[in-house]
Amino acid sequence: DIQMTQSPSSLSASVGDRVTITCRASQDISNYLAWFQQKPGKVPKLLIYAASTLQSGVPSRFSGSGSGTDFTLTISSLQPEDVATYYCLKYNSAPFTFGPGTKVDIK
Amino acid sequence: EVQLVESGGGLVQPGGSLRLSCAASGFTVSSNYMSWVRQAPGKGLEWVSVIYSGGSTYYADSVKGRFTISRHNSKNTLYLQMNSLRAEDTAVYYCARGVWLDVWGQGTTVTVSS
Repeated sequence: DIQMTQSPSSLSASVGDRVTITCRASQDISNYLAWFQQKPGKVPKLLIYAASTLQSGVPSRFSGSGSGTDFTLTISSLQPEDVATYYCLKYNSAPFTFGPGTKVDIK
Repeated sequence: EVQLVESGGGLVQPGGSLRLSCAASGFTVSSNYMSWVRQAPGKGLEWVSVIYSGGSTYYADSVKGRFTISRHNSKNTLYLQMNSLRAEDTAVYYCARGVWLDVWGQGTTVTVSS
């Protein structure tokens, strides 16, 4: 089965900073990758699918890129409401797999 | 409005069974991939199972042979039958729509403990 890793596992940044989270697949998954945001005590929310397509209603400061095995989620200007854990998900074929998550907070 | 509402969670003893339900509104369950995802206390998200629109089903290795995903088309409802439950199955269970999980329910809590 394909394994997903994320780095870093946590980060602390200032408001307005550019933040980048990396997700790596153990095999080529083309662009079958999604990103989710989960705020404390809340239901996960889809941010990006097909590696780079922004879900409707998601702020444009979020963007995704990559293909194959290496992917990134970028927050162009970190806002206080972006404090959350971010997960990637590969869905090219079952079993689907989430990454372990990256916790983002404000410095 | 597109919505998913889970139910059926609760406290169950190790080795016991539970059936979770996920009632959908605003779309047709049988026309979509539908998944179950769980989150143990303080842990990350774990994909559990999917049923494709064509009816094929798949499971995480951690639940294979113990859990069964199904749907009832006329009730527009997704199910997860969980047997031989273990302490490590304790989690919030979410149902979610589609290949890339664009709609999620609010979750239902399963606690496996004696």
